[in-house]
Amino acid sequence: AQSVTQPDIHITVSEGASLELRCNYSYGATPYLFWYVQSPGQGLQLLLKYFSGDTLVQGIKGFEAEFKRSQSSFNLRKPSVHWSDAAEYFCAVAEEDSNYQLIWGAGTKLIIKP
Amino acid sequence: DTGVSQDPRHKITKRGQNVTFRCDPISEHNRLYWYRQTLGQGPEFLTYFQNEAQLEKSRLLSDRFSAERPKGSFSTLEIQRTEQGDSAMYLCASSPPPTYEQYFGPGTRLTVT
Repeated sequence: AQSVTQPDIHITVSEGASLELRCNYSYGATPYLFWYVQSPGQGLQLLLKYFSGDTLVQGIKGFEAEFKRSQSSFNLRKPSVHWSDAAEYFCAVAEEDSNYQLIWGAGTKLIIKP
Repeated sequence: DTGVSQDPRHKITKRGQNVTFRCDPISEHNRLYWYRQTLGQGPEFLTYFQNEAQLEKSRLLSDRFSAERPKGSFSTLEIQRTEQGDSAMYLCASSPPPTYEQYFGPGTRLTVT
């Protein structure tokens, strides 16, 4: 069955430190991959997406993610976090065969230490 | 481009009442999705439209829930005879062909008392 795993429920990082949020998926073919961010009480904002081509994709707010087919992973990174990055981060996957329906990870809550 | 908008942003209702939410997608986005999200959880798919056709509806969705997109533009989601368990954030998203990445609105927070 198709699934998306975000193994970390919470991550705490000091302001200015680097960040990596993990995402693994289970699909047969190369899926479309997404990272969304959600601040408390808000909707979801698309951070970045991967469809094909260069496996390192750049997104908004200084985020990037790397697609590694051999590891079925699409981890999100940022070299230096800011207090405003505190939010919930969701990884999602879609496939053409499934009509591009998004399958969601459970989310990772990012906490920033001052 | 004004983004996806949803109205109202907040709704408080008494159990047993009907509520209706509206979503205006980004223009030229032919797909429109409805999700429900409870605290600490990811979005739960409810239904989606391609133009005016409702193509899929979650099996988990009670028949008290109905959605329409009559002219392929805005959409409404109605919940009849609300229950306390319906309290959640209701999210709308729209997406353009051919890659169908989804752009979300701010959500409607429903509280059933």
